Amino acid sequence: GENVGLHLPTLSVQEGDNSIINCAYSNSASDYFIWYKQESGKGPQFIIDIRSNMDKRQGQRVTVLLNKTVKHLSLQIAATQPGDSAVYFCAESRYNQGGKLIFGQGTELSVKP
Amino acid sequence: DVKVTQSSRYLVKRTGEKVFLECVQDMDHENMFWYRQDPGLGLRLIYFSYDVKMKEKGDIPEGYSVSREKKERFSLILESASTNQTSMYLCASSLGSQRWEKLFFGSGTQLSVL
Repeated sequence: GENVGLHLPTLSVQEGDNSIINCAYSNSASDYFIWYKQESGKGPQFIIDIRSNMDKRQGQRVTVLLNKTVKHLSLQIAATQPGDSAVYFCAESRYNQGGKLIFGQGTELSVKP
Repeated sequence: DVKVTQSSRYLVKRTGEKVFLECVQDMDHENMFWYRQDPGLGLRLIYFSYDVKMKEKGDIPEGYSVSREKKERFSLILESASTNQTSMYLCASSLGSQRWEKLFFGSGTQLSVL
C-alpha cells in the first residue's frame, strides 16, 4: 500500500504486505530528516533518520528514501505487522533556521489481519 | 534507553488556574523541548532549552513560560489556563551536540481546560 503526501492521511494495508508512507517537503535548506512512529496514547518514537548527503538508509524492516530533486521522502516498512499500526510523522531540519525540526501532519497506518 | 517522564498522563483544570507540567529525563541530555499536539496541526514548538537556566521561545510561546533549574527537569507553566490551551503536551530531550536530532519524547500529558 502507498499514500501520497498530505492528501491521504490514512493508509490501510494487509498484514504481510509492504507499506510505503510518503512525505513531501518544500524547503531546499532542509538537510536532515527523521521519521517517528506514534502509537495511540503514547509519545512519538524515533524510527530512522537520514541526512541530505544520502539517498537511502536501511534499518530493521524499514527503509527511508530521500529524493532531493523532487523534495520527497518515503518510509518503507517491509512485511507490515499489526504492531506497525500507528501514526507516522516525518520531520525536516532546516539549517537556515538553526536546525529546528518541522513536523509533518502524519499518516495513520492501519494493518488488517 | 532514554526515558523522558511526564508527571501526569491526564490533567483537568479550570480556566484561570496556574498549571505546571513537569518533565524529567534520565540520560543527561542538554536539550529539552516542549511541544503541543493538536489534530490537524501536528506538533508545534512552544519553548526549548539548551542548558540549565536558559530558554528560548519556539513558534507558539504566548500564554506559556518555562523553567529549567536542573539539567534533568524542564517545566512548562500556564500562568492562567484558557480553554484554547486544551491539548496534548509533549516533552522531548536530545543530546547536546545533536540538538535537533533524534529527539526522545515522553508519553504526553493530555490537558483539558474547562
